[in-house]
Amino acid sequence: VLTQAPATLSVSPGETVTLSCRASQSVNGAVRWYQQKSGQAPRLLIYGATTRATGVPARFSGGGSGTEFTLTITSLEVDDIAIYFCQQYYAWPPWTFGQGTTVDLK
Amino acid sequence: EVQLVESGGGFVQPGGSLRLSCSASGLMFSWFAMHWARQTPGKRLEYVATIYGNGRDTHHADAVKGRFTISRDNEKSILYLDMTNLRVDDTAVYYCVDGLDNQSWGQGTLVTVSS
Repeated sequence: VLTQAPATLSVSPGETVTLSCRASQSVNGAVRWYQQKSGQAPRLLIYGATTRATGVPARFSGGGSGTEFTLTITSLEVDDIAIYFCQQYYAWPPWTFGQGTTVDLK
Repeated sequence: EVQLVESGGGFVQPGGSLRLSCSASGLMFSWFAMHWARQTPGKRLEYVATIYGNGRDTHHADAVKGRFTISRDNEKSILYLDMTNLRVDDTAVYYCVDGLDNQSWGQGTLVTVSS
């Protein structure tokens, strides 16, 4: 089971935000982060807990290991308003997803 | 650039059937596992099924096992999901997902199961 926190985060442009994803047992760094904007498919941001996907801006960074993982958005832009999901793929199949964190404007 | 284009979604009554397709380009299709995932109206993401490059080895989520079947045509670079005995809680947007590290998702196709 993956638990994301907080459920909703209200932010201002320029802030640095950190999203949390906690696994009920170790997933050994096999974590992906996705960004989903309104009306769009999920887009891969991070895989292997820390590796940015192709084309992802450097303001997105992933961290953590074992059971605790984070996604940090440095100097958030308006274009970053979205729902963010984590996923584990250590014990797959099946994948499991967190319930998502909604990042909206304050 | 990988492109995944789903089709085949629609409105169906409980107990009905649908076949989803996903046309893939920009990757050596037969080299990679391919997956289906879905997103419920409440925005929850769920794993549905995986098929490995050889087309023989598959895995289906418990929620769909015995009702859905994943398959692929490596010659045509097409992924399929055959869905039978559909239930109201199968209502979701269904996404085709590739098995690369730099994973791509299709745009999704909506399946609505309702009486």
